[in-house]
Amino acid sequence: AQSVAQPEDQVNVAEGNPLTVKCTYSVSGNPYLFWYVQYPNRGLQFLLKYITGDNLVKGSYGFEAEFNKSQTSFHLKKPSALVSDSALYFCAVRDSSASKIIFGSGTRLSIRP
Amino acid sequence: GAGVSQSPSNKVTEKGKDVELRCDPISGHTALYWYRQRLGQGLEFLIYFQGNSAPDKSGLPSDRFSAERTGESVSTLTIQRTQQEDSAVYLCASSLNPAEKLFFGSGTQLSVL
Repeated sequence: AQSVAQPEDQVNVAEGNPLTVKCTYSVSGNPYLFWYVQYPNRGLQFLLKYITGDNLVKGSYGFEAEFNKSQTSFHLKKPSALVSDSALYFCAVRDSSASKIIFGSGTRLSIRP
Repeated sequence: GAGVSQSPSNKVTEKGKDVELRCDPISGHTALYWYRQRLGQGLEFLIYFQGNSAPDKSGLPSDRFSAERTGESVSTLTIQRTQQEDSAVYLCASSLNPAEKLFFGSGTQLSVL
């Protein structure tokens, strides 16, 4: 069975500092990995995905994520945080041998000025 | 259409009543997903459609929940004999295929009194 974990409910970072939002997964086949963001009163939006290829994936709004097969992780990163990055972030995974995409519990990112 | 459309945006019902939630995916998107998001929580997978078939309905909480899709387009999620614990935002998402990013609707806020 596939699963995904976001171990931090909340991450607090000062504006301008680097940020990391953690995600680990478990699948039986090859993983398809995604990050989505949910801004207040707005729908979920796609940030980036990893299917195959380079382990470092670049996405929207300056975000990137690194696929680490040995650690079964797909952490979201940004070199310099903005106050406008404050939102709820979800990691998602699909097992290549399955159909459904499941989501983590979400991490609330708060960037202070 | 330009995006995934869900209706109604809000639904208030009495305990024991049946409700129908509608999702209009992006034209040409073969994959369609339903998720439930309780207040302050993550996305809970309900069901996945590929075309008009549902290869994975493992997330439906009980036999009170059912869903169908017709014409490889519109999908309806039906909840019979609603209970207070059914109160949540029900999100629909579609994609060109299961490996591609999901496009989410704005959701239906269901409140069961």
